Amino acid sequence: AQSVTQLDSHVSVSEGTPVLLRCNYSSSYSPSLFWYVQHPNKGLQLLLKYTSAATLVKGINGFEAEFKKSETSFHLTKPSAHMSDAAEYFCVVKGGTALIFGKGTTLSVSS
Amino acid sequence: DAGVIQSPRHEVTEMGQEVTLRCKPISGHDYLFWYRQTMMRGLELLIYFNNNVPIDDSGMPEDRFSAKMPNASFSTLKIQPSEPRDSAVYFCASRHSGNTIYFGEGSWLTVV
Repeated sequence: AQSVTQLDSHVSVSEGTPVLLRCNYSSSYSPSLFWYVQHPNKGLQLLLKYTSAATLVKGINGFEAEFKKSETSFHLTKPSAHMSDAAEYFCVVKGGTALIFGKGTTLSVSS
Repeated sequence: DAGVIQSPRHEVTEMGQEVTLRCKPISGHDYLFWYRQTMMRGLELLIYFNNNVPIDDSGMPEDRFSAKMPNASFSTLKIQPSEPRDSAVYFCASRHSGNTIYFGEGSWLTVV
């Protein structure tokens, strides 16, 4: 069965510093992995997806994630945080037809 | 494209009342999903449809919950009778072939 574990429930950074949101996955076969973002009182927006092409995936708003099979990880990074990045981030694996969500990581950005 | 459209965006209702949430998927998408988001349980899949047919409803919590998809452009999620523990955000999502699932903005339900 597929699953994802987000290692941090809350991450706090200062504006202009790097962002790292960690995610480990479990899958019996090559997984399809996603990062979604949810801003307060908003729906879920796709940031990026990995589907067995390039291991380094670039997404919107300067985010990227690297698929590392040896570490079963799919961490989300951004070189320089912006205040508007403050939101809830979900690591997601495709399990069959539907998506299986991690518990989420709340990113706080301070000025 | 307008994206996945959900209504109402916010609903406050009294315990025992019937609640109907509505969803219009993206045109041409043949999969439709209903998710529920709570603080305690995060995002959970309730049910999904393929070509208007319910495929997996194992996530539907109780018989008080029912979902229908009478045609390719409309689905409902109904709770009858509603209870305070049903308070949550309910998301509808859709996709065509390929992996990307697109979500609506959610229906914020509060049962008092």
